[in-house]
Amino acid sequence: GQQLNQSPQSMFIQEGEDVSMNCTSSSIFNTWLWYKQDPGEGPVLLIALYKAGELTSNGRLTAQFGITRKDSFLNISASIPSDVGIYFCAGVNAGGTSYGKLTFGQGTILTVHP
Amino acid sequence: EAQVTQNPRYLITVTGKKLTVTCSQNMNHEYMSWYRQDPGLGLRQIYYSMNVEVTDKGDVPEGYKVSRKEKRNFPLILESPSPNQTSLYFCASRLAGGRDSSYEQYFGPGTRLTVT
Repeated sequence: GQQLNQSPQSMFIQEGEDVSMNCTSSSIFNTWLWYKQDPGEGPVLLIALYKAGELTSNGRLTAQFGITRKDSFLNISASIPSDVGIYFCAGVNAGGTSYGKLTFGQGTILTVHP
Repeated sequence: EAQVTQNPRYLITVTGKKLTVTCSQNMNHEYMSWYRQDPGLGLRQIYYSMNVEVTDKGDVPEGYKVSRKEKRNFPLILESPSPNQTSLYFCASRLAGGRDSSYEQYFGPGTRLTVT
């Protein structure tokens, strides 16, 4: 089945630093979603991307839909302590027998030191 | 407030004792889904429903049942829970599809289940 490779698995950074993480797939996706999960809570949608090459921002977050449709990137600028959590990418396959199914990356655990 | 709610948030039970985790959404979403989250394995889909009375297996359906009698509710049923079903469970919902924004899926707060 489809697999998403998300990297890095974890990051330890200082407050104020920029963060980059990415997801790559062996398959093409029609939509990329980025989520953040705080400890003990459900994932919260941060950014949705619909077109290859699309670059979308949400505050200090910027995400891009890769031109090959097989990858996506998330950047966080000027990190703050509340950015701590697990970040997930998810690709959506809108065709074939997997219509609309989300495939999730394994997550990137972000720790921000004050 | 638009949301997905789950109950209970925490549950400790014993092997073989039937349980139900409820899920409800107030966004009039057609599509609902259940996931389990385990360390090192990420989020795995258990069952999903495209609409009322339409359900289908996800990637890890063994040991679980679901029903979709009403659009807003999608309960997860464990007929005979076993310790390997100890996990963090999430319900999620979204629109049916056909538009870009249809795939934006919203998650409930989670139910932490322990089966002893």
